[in-house]
Amino acid sequence: AQSVSQHNHHVILSEAASLELGCNYSYGGTVNLFWYVQYPGQHLQLLLKYFSGDPLVKGIKGFEAEFIKSKFSFNLRKPSVQWSDTAEYFCAVILTDSWGKLQFGAGTQVVVTP
Amino acid sequence: EAQVTQNPRYLITVTGKKLTVTCSQNMNHEYMSWYRQDPGLGLRQIYYSMNVEVTDKGDVPEGYKVSRKEKRNFPLILESPSPNQTSLYFCASREPGVNTEAFFGQGTRLTVV
Repeated sequence: AQSVSQHNHHVILSEAASLELGCNYSYGGTVNLFWYVQYPGQHLQLLLKYFSGDPLVKGIKGFEAEFIKSKFSFNLRKPSVQWSDTAEYFCAVILTDSWGKLQFGAGTQVVVTP
Repeated sequence: EAQVTQNPRYLITVTGKKLTVTCSQNMNHEYMSWYRQDPGLGLRQIYYSMNVEVTDKGDVPEGYKVSRKEKRNFPLILESPSPNQTSLYFCASREPGVNTEAFFGQGTRLTVV
């Protein structure tokens, strides 16, 4: 079945550590890719998106993600996290040959300790 | 300010008592969707609408109904709620197509006892 997989369900790290969250998808066609963030008690907000062009995309708050087509991956990175990055992070995919259904991964809960 | 507004934010109800969660967007978006968020399962689509009077089932539609009589509103109806519908619900809207960002409401935390 077509799916979006996020490798880690929970990540705990200290401030200033580097963060990398994995995301893989199993769709065979062309996809558009997104990372959303959900801060505690809040709604989902877009961190960054990839539609085409440079596979390394930069988003808000110092986050970036790299699309590797051969690996069906779209991993999220941040070189140095802050306590305020504590949140749940969702990878999402849209098949470009579909009507535009947004398919989400299960999410990764990130806790940054002071 | 562009926004998606859901009401109520929190709701506790009893099994079988019909309820409606409202969703309204002010961006004139054609696409609207409802998701439920459960731990370890991420967001799963319940229903979606591609325009007024055009709705279709998502991945987990059982026990839910929707309507789209106006472009801005997309209410979610639980005719006979059950405890397994206890969840966090999000409404989202966006422009048609695949190169568009979804905007989410603040969420409705529903508890069915």
